[in-house]
Amino acid sequence: DVKVTQSSRYLVKRTGEKVFLECVQDMDHENMFWYRQDPGLGLRLIYFSYDVKMKEKGDIPEGYSVSREKKERFSLILESASTNQTSMYLCASASLGSYNSPLHFGNGTRLTVT
Amino acid sequence: GENVEQHPSTLSVQEGDSAVIKCTYSDSASNYFPWYKQELGKRPQLIIDIRSNVGEKKDQRIAVTLNKTAKHFSLHITETQPEDSAVYFCAASRSDDMRFGAGTRLTVKP
Repeated sequence: DVKVTQSSRYLVKRTGEKVFLECVQDMDHENMFWYRQDPGLGLRLIYFSYDVKMKEKGDIPEGYSVSREKKERFSLILESASTNQTSMYLCASASLGSYNSPLHFGNGTRLTVT
Repeated sequence: GENVEQHPSTLSVQEGDSAVIKCTYSDSASNYFPWYKQELGKRPQLIIDIRSNVGEKKDQRIAVTLNKTAKHFSLHITETQPEDSAVYFCAASRSDDMRFGAGTRLTVKP
């Protein structure tokens, strides 16, 4: 069974801090994703990566960056956290042909920026 | 790009009744339609999916129907149980894009 692990379940950060959200998957999946989940808005794609060191912007990349130095790890970076980035962040992975195969999600990180 | 609308946003049913959640999509190139269930405090998990070459798929109490002409697909849950209470998300995807609906909060009352 695929396991996607996010390093933190809850995080509280101050405005202006640099924040790292880590995600690791154990199924050798090529594709990894970062989503943001907000009530009434569903899941919105921030960034995705289809290979090591490769990244593509999703629908809401502003204020975020990502890093994929190893296949199993995909990091989301908030360069300077702001209160409107308070949200639930979900990491996901999928095998090749990702948009036509199921996503495997992590448990999520609930980030609060004060 | 693709736009997915999901209705209703909340749904409350009595245990044993059926529940139906509907999604519409805009891009006729979409060809894969998964449904995810997210229980409170847990990760979204795939419960059923359907591809565009199939009109209906069933897995025990869960079924999904797809109408490509009308660009809508629906999740049907029969004989609902309290453990079906969760948020359900639909999605529509093509080879280079996937979009989620806003979610439906289903409550099954015992």
